[in-house]
Amino acid sequence: DIQVTQSPSSLSASVGDRVTITCRASQSIGTYLNWYQQKAGKAPKLLIYAASTLQSGVPSRFSGSGSGTDFTLTISSLQPEDFATYYCQQSSAAPLTFGGGTKVEIK
Amino acid sequence: EVQLVESGGGFVQPGGSLRLSCAASGFTFSNYWMSWVRQTPGKGLEWVANIRQDGGEIYYVDSVKGRFTISRDNAKNFLYLQMNSLRADDTAIFYCVRDKISGASHFDSWGQGTLVTVSS
Repeated sequence: DIQVTQSPSSLSASVGDRVTITCRASQSIGTYLNWYQQKAGKAPKLLIYAASTLQSGVPSRFSGSGSGTDFTLTISSLQPEDFATYYCQQSSAAPLTFGGGTKVEIK
Repeated sequence: EVQLVESGGGFVQPGGSLRLSCAASGFTFSNYWMSWVRQTPGKGLEWVANIRQDGGEIYYVDSVKGRFTISRDNAKNFLYLQMNSLRADDTAIFYCVRDKISGASHFDSWGQGTLVTVSS
């Protein structure tokens, strides 16, 4: 199975900060990497798919990059509504696997 | 508007069975692969299974193979998950998720989730 490791597991940031979350796959997955945002008590929401394609309706302050084994989710200017947990997920091969999550908290 | 509404969760003893249902609306259900994803506080998000548009291709995570069965009814726009031989570590919120049309999976619509609790 392809393992997906996220870092950090949590971070504290202020409104307006640039935030970067990384995801590493245990083997090359091309660009088969998706990012989700989850707020407390809610279902996850797709932000980015295929490593860098912004899902319709998602603000442009979110961006994704990477290929192979190393990927990055960047929030260019953190907004109050962005405080949440973020997950990456590989879709290169079954079983589809998620990272452990990164909780973004208010500093 | 895409809507996915799960039902069928509840409390069950170890070794028991449950059948989850997901009513889909707001899109052409038969055009999409569909998945079940579960979430526990300890293990985070875990993809459970997915099924092709016609039901002719199905995949499971190893931990549920032989115990869970995913199926769909395109005439009624329903997705199902039959869960047998339930164990305590199956306790989770189960989400019905819209998967791909083709190419690589990405989960662009999620239901609200249904809680399954397995305990004696």
